[in-house]
Amino acid sequence: LAKTTQPISMDSYEGQEVNITCSHNNIATNDYITWYQQFPSQGPRFIIQGYKTKVTNEVASLFIPADRKSSTLSLPRVSLSDTAVYYCLVGDINSGNTPLVFGKGTRLSVIA
Amino acid sequence: EPEVTQTPSHQVTQMGQEVILRCVPISNHLYFYWYRQILGQKVEFLVSFYNNEISEKSEIFDDQFSVERPDGSNFTLKIRSTKLEDSAMYFCASSDWGRGSYEQYFGPGTRLTVT
Repeated sequence: LAKTTQPISMDSYEGQEVNITCSHNNIATNDYITWYQQFPSQGPRFIIQGYKTKVTNEVASLFIPADRKSSTLSLPRVSLSDTAVYYCLVGDINSGNTPLVFGKGTRLSVIA
Repeated sequence: EPEVTQTPSHQVTQMGQEVILRCVPISNHLYFYWYRQILGQKVEFLVSFYNNEISEKSEIFDDQFSVERPDGSNFTLKIRSTKLEDSAMYFCASSDWGRGSYEQYFGPGTRLTVT
C-alpha cells in the first residue's frame, strides 16, 4: 500500500473552497486514490475516487496530476456541516476485499 | 439508499464478559469487514469476510475475536472475554465487487465500553 501524507488540520470559513492535498510518492500503476469523510461518532463515508486527471461528483472534485504522486480533494463552498476528518487512501481497488488502511486524516474545521 | 445497520448503538459490559456486536450489511454486497476506532485514534482494520470465511485479519484480531454470518443477512463480531482496552467504536462495513474494494459502506458503529 502506498504511504500517504496529508495535513493534520485545516480551518476554513463558510462559503470558501477548501483544497486538501495528499502526497503519495510511491503510488503504483494499478493504484487508485480514494477519499473518505468521517463525522464525529460516525463511520467513514466514501466520497470520491479517481485514477488520473479530474473526477467530479455532487460532493467534491478530485484533481490528480499526470505524475499521480499527489492528489487534491476540493470541496466547493463549504458549510459548517462539512466539518469532519478527511482521509486519503491509495491502493488497488481491484485486488479483492482489500482492508482499508486509514491514516490520521485531515481534520477540517469550518467556521461561521 | 441502502445502508449498513448496526446494533446495539452502545454496549456497556464488564471486563471478562462476552459481547456480540451485530451488523446487517447491504443486501447484495459480498464482502464484509469489521473495523474499530479507539477514541481519538485511527480507524483500524480487524477482519474481512467473504464466502463464509475469513479472508484477512489484523494482529488485533486474536483468539478472543470471532466473526460469523449466521443467517445470510446478519454479520456478527464476538469478543469472548472483554478487556478494558477493547473499549472503542466498532464499525461494520460491506462492499460490492462491482464497485471495487475501496468503496466500502460503513455502518453507524457500536460504541463498546468495558468497565
